[in-house]
Amino acid sequence: AQRVTQPEKLLSVFKGAPVELKCNYSYSGSPELFWYVQYSRQRLQLLLRHISRESIKGFTADLNKGETSFHLKKPFAQEEDSAMYYCALSGLSGTYKYIFGTGTRLKVLA
Amino acid sequence: GAGVSQTPSNKVTEKGKYVELRCDPISGHTALYWYRQSLGQGPEFLIYFQGTGAADDSGLPNDRFFAVRPEGSVSTLKIQRTERGDSAVYLCASSLERNNEQFFGPGTRLTVL
Repeated sequence: AQRVTQPEKLLSVFKGAPVELKCNYSYSGSPELFWYVQYSRQRLQLLLRHISRESIKGFTADLNKGETSFHLKKPFAQEEDSAMYYCALSGLSGTYKYIFGTGTRLKVLA
Repeated sequence: GAGVSQTPSNKVTEKGKYVELRCDPISGHTALYWYRQSLGQGPEFLIYFQGTGAADDSGLPNDRFFAVRPEGSVSTLKIQRTERGDSAVYLCASSLERNNEQFFGPGTRLTVL
């Protein structure tokens, strides 16, 4: 079954501390993985996707096929990083449906 | 340019009523998607349009839900005989082509009393 698991509903860290938001997936083919972010009162927006291998706003995520994980990391959290983060997958073969995790709320404390 | 827009932003209705939710995708985007997000959950796929046709409606929960996109642009999600369990945020997204990044609208919050 295709599934995305985000085990933490809430993650609180202090400003300047490292952040790791966990994402594990289950997929029978070759997935494409994404992280979407939703800031307060804003719409869902793409943060990064694994095929682009970019670092956006200091965040990175590496696809680990052995562990079926796509954890989101940032070395030094900023208060403006506080938001809801969703991990999602779709199939590289051209399937278009996103399968989302339940999300992790990140709170960066001053 | 303008992003995906959805109207209304909030809709309150009574059990058993009919509702229509509208989505205006980004101009030129051929692919359009509807998702439903219940409280505490991530968005769940409902239906995907490529152009005017519903290429995949496997996520629609039952036959009370129906969506159209008659001219390949604006889409309407229609829910008949609403139930309290239909209460959720309904999200629309569009992408340039099928495999491109999906851009999401602000959602319509539907409350069924």
